[in-house]
Amino acid sequence: DIQMTQSPSTLSASIGDRVTITCRASQSISSWLAWYQQKPGKAPNLLISKASTLEGGVPSRFSGSGSGTEFTLTISSLQPDDFATYYCQQYKTYSTFGGGTKVEIK
Amino acid sequence: QLQLQESGPGLVKPSETLSLTCTVSGGSISSKNHYWAWIRQPPGRGMEWIGNIYYSGTTYYNPSLKSRVTISSDTSKNQFSLKLSSVTAADTAVFYCARPLLGSPYAFDIWGQGTMVTVSS
Repeated sequence: DIQMTQSPSTLSASIGDRVTITCRASQSISSWLAWYQQKPGKAPNLLISKASTLEGGVPSRFSGSGSGTEFTLTISSLQPDDFATYYCQQYKTYSTFGGGTKVEIK
Repeated sequence: QLQLQESGPGLVKPSETLSLTCTVSGGSISSKNHYWAWIRQPPGRGMEWIGNIYYSGTTYYNPSLKSRVTISSDTSKNQFSLKLSSVTAADTAVFYCARPLLGSPYAFDIWGQGTMVTVSS
């Protein structure tokens, strides 16, 4: 099984901050990585696929990078709508999600 | 616009079988090359992929759940279904149906709203 580890588990930030979330895979997954945003009581929303491909309608302040075992999600300037929990997911071999990073208001 | 909607009992007794249905609107589950998926999320925790069904009917299951999971489809009703047998309290979760990206069977771009299932006597 491929394990996905996210850090930090919680992040406190202010509007306008640059935010970076890290995701590590237990083995190489090439670029088969997705990022999701989830708000309380809602289904996840796919933000980024293939490690860095922004999905349609996702603001350009979101970006993804990395390959192999180390990946990052960056929000260039945090907006009020961005306070949520973010999950990474590998889909090289079936699917495994990370434990999530909750982005809170500082 | 494609929409997915989960339905089924919100309460299941331990050792029984959990059964859920996903109704697809705005598109056909028989669309060539498309997969359909079930994912669950225990309260306050991360997500777990349960399994996929291909438009042809071929199924793919999470190895950790494979012995207890059955996913099937009913093209006449444009629905696909999940059965999870021998449930315990650890199976309590929000269950989502989802459609994977075309060409990436395990990345999910369209989700249902989710349905909470509690396993309790």
